[in-house]
Amino acid sequence: SQTIHQWPATLVQPVGSPLSLECTVEGTSNPNLYWYRQAAGRGLQLLFYSVGIGQISSEVPQNLSASRPQDRQFILSSKKLLLSDSGFYLCAWTFQSRGYTFGSGTRLTVV
Amino acid sequence: GENVEQHPSTLSVQEGDSAVIKCTYSDSASNYFPWYKQELGKRPQLIIDIRSNVGEKKDQRIAVTLNKTAKHFSLHITETQPEDSAVYFCAALHVTSGTYKYIFGTGTRLKVLA
Repeated sequence: SQTIHQWPATLVQPVGSPLSLECTVEGTSNPNLYWYRQAAGRGLQLLFYSVGIGQISSEVPQNLSASRPQDRQFILSSKKLLLSDSGFYLCAWTFQSRGYTFGSGTRLTVV
Repeated sequence: GENVEQHPSTLSVQEGDSAVIKCTYSDSASNYFPWYKQELGKRPQLIIDIRSNVGEKKDQRIAVTLNKTAKHFSLHITETQPEDSAVYFCAALHVTSGTYKYIFGTGTRLKVLA
């Protein structure tokens, strides 16, 4: 069966520090991968998606970047965090027209 | 761009009553509509879905209906229980150039009052 792993679960980072969140999927090949952000009490904002290794599409211009160095690995990064980067970050995967499966999320607080 | 409107944003019901959440989508090519439940501090989880070739689907106390002509779909929860309290998101599949993305509604916070 397919599983998705996301870490870390929580992170407190100072303004201006770098960020790296990682997501891996097991049990499938060539998944579509996604990064979402959810501000407190708000909806799901799509940040990036990837249909293959090295292929990244950005939905919202911002302080973040994403990379897909391996088929089942998706990384979200920032060189310098802003206060507004705080939120709940969710990785998700899907294959063709099936619903998303979300990772367990990373709660990022920028202080 | 494509969007999904979801109503209401909050919904309070007495335990045992029914709850209905409604969504409208704009992409006439959408053919798959999942619903997600998100409990406080947790990830959204798929609870039910429907494809465009059917009008209704049921799974115990939850059901989803779809009206493709009107581009509406709804979630129905019967005999609500306190554990149904959560935020519910509807979504519509949007496919462009072979890329699958889901357009989410803004969410409905359901409170089931004991």
